[in-house]
Amino acid sequence: DAGITQSPRYKITETGRQVTLMCHQTWSHSYMFWYRQDLGHGLRLIYYSAAADITDKGEVPDGYVVSRSKTENFPLTLESATRSQTSVYFCASSATGTREQYFGPGTRLTVT
Amino acid sequence: KQEVTQIPAALSVPEGENLVLNCSFTDSAIYNLQWFRQDPGKGLTSLLLIQSSQREQTSGRLNASLDKSSGRSTLYIAASQPGDSATYLCAAGSGAGGTSYGKLTFGQGTILTVHP
Repeated sequence: DAGITQSPRYKITETGRQVTLMCHQTWSHSYMFWYRQDLGHGLRLIYYSAAADITDKGEVPDGYVVSRSKTENFPLTLESATRSQTSVYFCASSATGTREQYFGPGTRLTVT
Repeated sequence: KQEVTQIPAALSVPEGENLVLNCSFTDSAIYNLQWFRQDPGKGLTSLLLIQSSQREQTSGRLNASLDKSSGRSTLYIAASQPGDSATYLCAAGSGAGGTSYGKLTFGQGTILTVHP
């Protein structure tokens, strides 16, 4: 299917576990982003990527790792999950020209 | 640091009313401004994108305006319908150049309820 997809859609994990959230887009957009959405904080940027092998920190990067070996994929890894990382995670992508961002359906992550 | 504020936080109107949602931002050096809609438990749907050189954009019953100098954007919804009920988010896009390209700073959103 064309567009931007995220997997899994729901995930429950334990404190201290490593977990990877996947993001895939079929538009060949150069830019990709990871946000988290929390009550009281709204949407905050975690990491973003301008192209394959180019990534940079956003507003709240601590505890997260990203990679981008292929243009279409942008996985987000929580190296050692903490309860404070319980959140809804959104991936987005944008084309170089318009910079209009398109969002995936989100992953609801619960850390117990 | 860019800060985006949306007023009101919540709005309840009867069907058929025209309404205005407000968004303000502190740093006028934006590249664009984007309005989104979010339904409960769902992702964000892009409604309108206004580039910094534009004053407004229209899509159907929606019209968004941008005044960079005053740091404001408004989303106008004409003839509201119950299906318009959702959270509306505005986001300011950071300027060109370097690695800040295309970063969005979001407001907290306006929760809109349109009742029949």
